[in-house]
Amino acid sequence: GQNIDQPTEMTATEGAIVQINCTYQTSGFNGLFWYQQHAGEAPTFLSYNVLDGLEEKGRFSSFLSRSKGYSYLLLKELQMKDSASYLCAVTRAAGNKLTFGGGTRVLVKP
Amino acid sequence: GAVVSQHPSRVICKSGTSVKIECRSLDFQATTMFWYRQFPKQSLMLMATSNEGSKATYEQGVEKDKFLINHASLTLSTLTVTSAHPEDSSFYICSARGGKGRTYEQYFGPGTRLTVT
Repeated sequence: GQNIDQPTEMTATEGAIVQINCTYQTSGFNGLFWYQQHAGEAPTFLSYNVLDGLEEKGRFSSFLSRSKGYSYLLLKELQMKDSASYLCAVTRAAGNKLTFGGGTRVLVKP
Repeated sequence: GAVVSQHPSRVICKSGTSVKIECRSLDFQATTMFWYRQFPKQSLMLMATSNEGSKATYEQGVEKDKFLINHASLTLSTLTVTSAHPEDSSFYICSARGGKGRTYEQYFGPGTRLTVT
């Protein structure tokens, strides 16, 4: 089976940094995705990690440790529009199905 | 980028009727399409995976006779909710894989909000 955990909610201040952690236990792990989803909308792709390490993309960075079954999404210079749910999802080697974690709702306050 | 559309965006139907939701890849050929369901304040749950020209593979607990999936072409997949009941009210989202460039990526449609009264 698969088990993917991430915090339910986080609150941060505009301009600050927030780190969203995701831990997983998945047999045949292939890669890990991060998606952003605003309420009532479809998820949008943020990042994809296959190898260990940090990948930076503008204000967003994603980190993966395969040995620890751990990833995080780092959001810098938070803006009000970053208020959304952030979904961690893993794929297994056998296919391309995405299994999502419960999602983390991030609220950015002025 | 790759664009996926869904139609309708919202639908209200009466209990016992059937509803069809279309998912189209507009500018690429989707070898695989996925159907998800999302209840309020919950994450996406995969319902089924469909490959063009073959039967869909359903996740455990999803009734294949209730949620009919057809993937007749490389750009179109349909989900039909048969004999809908209020508990089927949910946000249904499709995604498609097979776009140029990042072939590992799934491109999501805008979702269809189904309300069964």
